Amino acid sequence: EVQLEQSGAEVKKPGESLEISCKGSGYSFISYWIGWVRQMPGKGLEWMGIIYPGDSDIRYSPSFQGQVTISADKSISTAYLQWSSLEASDTAMYYCARPLVRGSVWAFDIWGQGTMVTVSS
Amino acid sequence: EIVLTQSPGTLSLSPGERATLSCRASQTVTSSYLAWYQQKPGQAPRLLIYGASSRATGIPDRFSGSGSGTDFTLTISRLEPEDFAVYYCQQYGSSPYTFGQGTKLEI
Repeated sequence: EVQLEQSGAEVKKPGESLEISCKGSGYSFISYWIGWVRQMPGKGLEWMGIIYPGDSDIRYSPSFQGQVTISADKSISTAYLQWSSLEASDTAMYYCARPLVRGSVWAFDIWGQGTMVTVSS
Repeated sequence: EIVLTQSPGTLSLSPGERATLSCRASQTVTSSYLAWYQQKPGQAPRLLIYGASSRATGIPDRFSGSGSGTDFTLTISRLEPEDFAVYYCQQYGSSPYTFGQGTKLEI
């Protein structure tokens, strides 16, 4: 079964750093892009960026460029989303997702369960 | 960046009725790379339609997508109780691969 398993909920203080993860299983991890999507409380979906683990090609939304870092470790089939200094406005659910088509940026047909990040002093 | 505008913001219908949701792009969506997702409270989104009109695996045929260029439509022919949710469109033809703001389909 193709799955994306995300790390658990986090509660952090402003200014702290954080890395959340997304582990792929049941498919060739290096052959599919992995994207990250933010959903702030009660709000819509926002496309953050996407990485191709095969060669670490990364594309960021301008809205998130410089605010987060996307990476992947293909040896353990895991993608990451990282913050160096969190703000209260980073409070949101974060989803990782895999496109339908191998090797292409495409519609997302496989989604992780989401990681809730809460930033509060 | 392509901005997707969905309308209406909220659609109030009854089971058995037909729902028509709109997604308008600020620029032409390359090769009709337009998807529709359904999201229920507390759940991750679910892919319904890709390539503007192709149903994803397991999606009932009451869901259909149409359109090209800048205007796209998701139609649900006969609403079932489980169809009441929030629906998002997304374009994946041009980075950043943006989402619309969503349409809430309520009973």
